[in-house]
Amino acid sequence: SQQGEEDPQALSIQEGENATMNCSYKTSINNLQWYRQNSGRGLVHLILIRSNEREKHSGRLRVTLDTSKKSSSLLITASRAADTASYFCATGQGAQKLVFGQGTRLTINP
Amino acid sequence: EADIYQTPRYLVIGTGKKITLECSQTMGHDKMYWYQQDPGMELHLIHYSYGVNSTEKGDLSSESTVSRIRTEHFPLTLESARPSHTSQYLCASAIRTRGTDTQYFGPGTRLTVL
Repeated sequence: SQQGEEDPQALSIQEGENATMNCSYKTSINNLQWYRQNSGRGLVHLILIRSNEREKHSGRLRVTLDTSKKSSSLLITASRAADTASYFCATGQGAQKLVFGQGTRLTINP
Repeated sequence: EADIYQTPRYLVIGTGKKITLECSQTMGHDKMYWYQQDPGMELHLIHYSYGVNSTEKGDLSSESTVSRIRTEHFPLTLESARPSHTSQYLCASAIRTRGTDTQYFGPGTRLTVL
């Protein structure tokens, strides 16, 4: 099965609200990354957090990592309609491949 | 936007046809990947390459084949397309920075096999 599992599978909120998505994984990792995918497009890298980091910020994005619980969360503050997309976590194990989760479909309602 | 390109963007073909999905990147990345993704679903790694003349099968069994003759080019071929191959195919390349790979994705090819 996939290493990362996002929760919830789908999330619908009003514009201006904060959106929180969670990712759980099973084995030890070097890093965890979040990607965004607009409908019918490729994925775009958003943010990376290393296993020795606990929190990271980038603009309206805040990512946390709890290696003891093998989980991460992505918070998008003050959401906008343009944030509507699917969000995937990906875990880096060892030197090479990333393993992607199943994604959270986020819908921002105007 | 990353400099990674996929053609065609959309393809509708009949069963039994041979097709090649093109992927090229101008960033000089050694690592390249092919993923298969059904609408709204997770990505499945089907092939990857760590450099010229290096190709490996991914986590999901696929009837497709790949080649890596040039660094910038990583085409995927289906010898005989079937309806079960209908899906979106995403190509990515990666660069290692401070010991970590970040992947850059192309726009994808949406394949429909009738």
